[in-house]
Parts: sequence; structure tokens; C-alpha cells
Amino acid sequence: EVQLLESGGGLVQPGGSLRLSCAASGFTFNNYAMTWVRQAPGKGLEWVSAISGSGDATIYADSVKGRLTISRDDSENTLFLQMNSLRPEDTGIYYCAKSRGVSWYYAVDCWGQGTLVTVSS
Amino acid sequence: DIVMTQSPDSLAVSLGERATINCKSSQSVLYRSNNKNYLAWYQQKPGQPPKLLIYWASTRESGVPDRFSGSGSGTDFTLTISSLQAEDVAVYYCQQYYSIPFTFGPGTKVDIK
Repeated sequence: EVQLLESGGGLVQPGGSLRLSCAASGFTFNNYAMTWVRQAPGKGLEWVSAISGSGDATIYADSVKGRLTISRDDSENTLFLQMNSLRPEDTGIYYCAKSRGVSWYYAVDCWGQGTLVTVSS
Repeated sequence: DIVMTQSPDSLAVSLGERATINCKSSQSVLYRSNNKNYLAWYQQKPGQPPKLLIYWASTRESGVPDRFSGSGSGTDFTLTISSLQAEDVAVYYCQQYYSIPFTFGPGTKVDIK
């Protein structure tokens, strides 16, 4: 069974940093691109970033480019999101999601339960 | 960026009746070299993560009941629930994965009338 378990969320002040992790199991991790999607409280879904199955290519939404960095450790089957220079508008639930293929040009077919990030003073 | 719009914002349908949700993209998401529409539909129930229902605009994900169907091509797409069940109460999102950034529609809330 495919499982994704996010961790690392919490309360952080504006300008601060957090590192989110997503532990994956139940599939061959390096065969699939991975994605982060976020959801502000009471709002819709916003695509944030993706990384290829090989880990050598990454893409970002303009709203996070230069502040958030996606990475993966295939030896640990773990996806990361390093979040720097956080802003109040980064507040929300962050979901880790698995692509249906090795590239990001596929729908995502499995989602974690999410981890809540709150940026507030 | 490709802008995704959905209509209606919300709808209430009687149990057993048909529910239809529309999704429109600001530019085509049809990749002509493989004739695939890079469009997915997700269902999100309160307090839960989204769940993939449909990909390539019309391919049902494994385990999804066949009352859910997707149609359309190019810029106009539809998700149909042929006979609404109580467990289908949720917000439904379309998403394009044709062009970066992979944008979502604003969502359509489906309730029981």
C-alpha cells in the first residue's frame, strides 16, 4: 500500500524557516516524480513545486521561487521542502503527493494527510 | 499561466440524480503528439486530502466508482456523477498538468438537496 507521511509543520514567525519531510513507502520511490501542494485555511488547492524521479530537475510556482526548495533522498525514500523567508501567505496545509510517472507531466495519484504550517508573529 | 475556471461554484443535487461540473482552461491542454488532454479531477472531502478521480480527462482511477466520468477536450471539460450518493458530498477540483505551473480550478462544492 502506498503511504506518504508528512512532518515538520508548525508555527513560525515571518521571515523564519521550516523544513518539511514526507516519508514514502509502498512503491519504488525513485521511479516517480513528487509534488508539494498547499491549501490555505478554507481555500482551494495551490500547486507549489515538483521534482523529477531522478531528482535532477525541479520546478516551482512563482509565488515560492527563490524561497522554497524541493529535494529528495532516494536512499531514505523521503521528500523534503525547505522553506525560507516565510510569509503569512505561506500559511496552510502542505500536502506531499506522488506523480503517476517519472516526470511531472502526470496527475498525482496518492496524497499524504498533510502538515500544517502557520506563519504568524 | 493557464487559468482554470469551474462552474458552478456549488450545486445541490437530490440523491440518485445527476451532478455535472464544468471546467474550462484559458488555453488548450491537449498535447497533439499523443492526443492526450493533461487534465485531472480530484475529490476532497472535509478534513481529508484530495483523491484522484480522473486523469487524461476521461480515464477513471482504479477503485473509483463508475458513476464518476470525465469528458471533454482542448479547453472544455466536464465531470459527471451519474447518480449522486451521500458519500459524494465533497469539493471537486480540476487541474491541468500540461504547462508549468500546474494550476487548479477554484473548486465546486457538491451537496445533497
